[in-house]
Amino acid sequence: QAVVTQEPSLTVSPGGTVTLTCGSSTGAVTSGHYPYWFQQKPGQAPRTLIYDTSNKHFWTPARFSGSLLGGKAALTLSGAQPEDEAEYYCLLTYSGPWVFGGGTKLTVL
Amino acid sequence: EVQLVESGGGLVQPGGSLRLSCAASGFTFNAYWATWVRQAPGKGLEWVANIRQDGNEKYYMDSVKGRFTISRDNAKNSLYLQMNSLRAEDTAVYYCETGHYADYWGQGTLVTVSS
Repeated sequence: QAVVTQEPSLTVSPGGTVTLTCGSSTGAVTSGHYPYWFQQKPGQAPRTLIYDTSNKHFWTPARFSGSLLGGKAALTLSGAQPEDEAEYYCLLTYSGPWVFGGGTKLTVL
Repeated sequence: EVQLVESGGGLVQPGGSLRLSCAASGFTFNAYWATWVRQAPGKGLEWVANIRQDGNEKYYMDSVKGRFTISRDNAKNSLYLQMNSLRAEDTAVYYCETGHYADYWGQGTLVTVSS
């Protein structure tokens, strides 16, 4: 099965902007992978932020956005808040099977 | 209120079996694919298996093929994971997930495989 890669950790200043990326061992990530982004805080279940590359659930704060960037899926956080400190996981689908990335620990500091 | 409630986790010896259940309420369960995702202690999320609305299409991660079976009973609004030949590396919190766009997640049930 494919391997999905993410930055292990990133730091952003409060109010700052950061981009997390999600790559695939099989080549460029496309909209056909239907990229998802999940947020998980300690002791909690994951929460879906972005689906199908760039679509948001009603509970997704407007400061989060999804896109394709340089052959990868990307999650951009603009105007980081302290409550955004969490682990972020991307997910790519491969015509049935799913593969999660290893996660990015985002620190707001 | 939308709810997904997992049950059936616990301590099991290597080589043993467990059956996890996930009870859905507050939405139309039979309208969506359903998925099991696991998370080993201190590790990331790992997709385990998913199943189509009618139960006739299923996919598994390589390391559980032949050992785990995903199933569903739409009449009971329930998702299941039969886990056989369990190994220490199967130790994890197991989450069920469903919805049109991964909208709904349970809180997870802990499976510990240890002698």
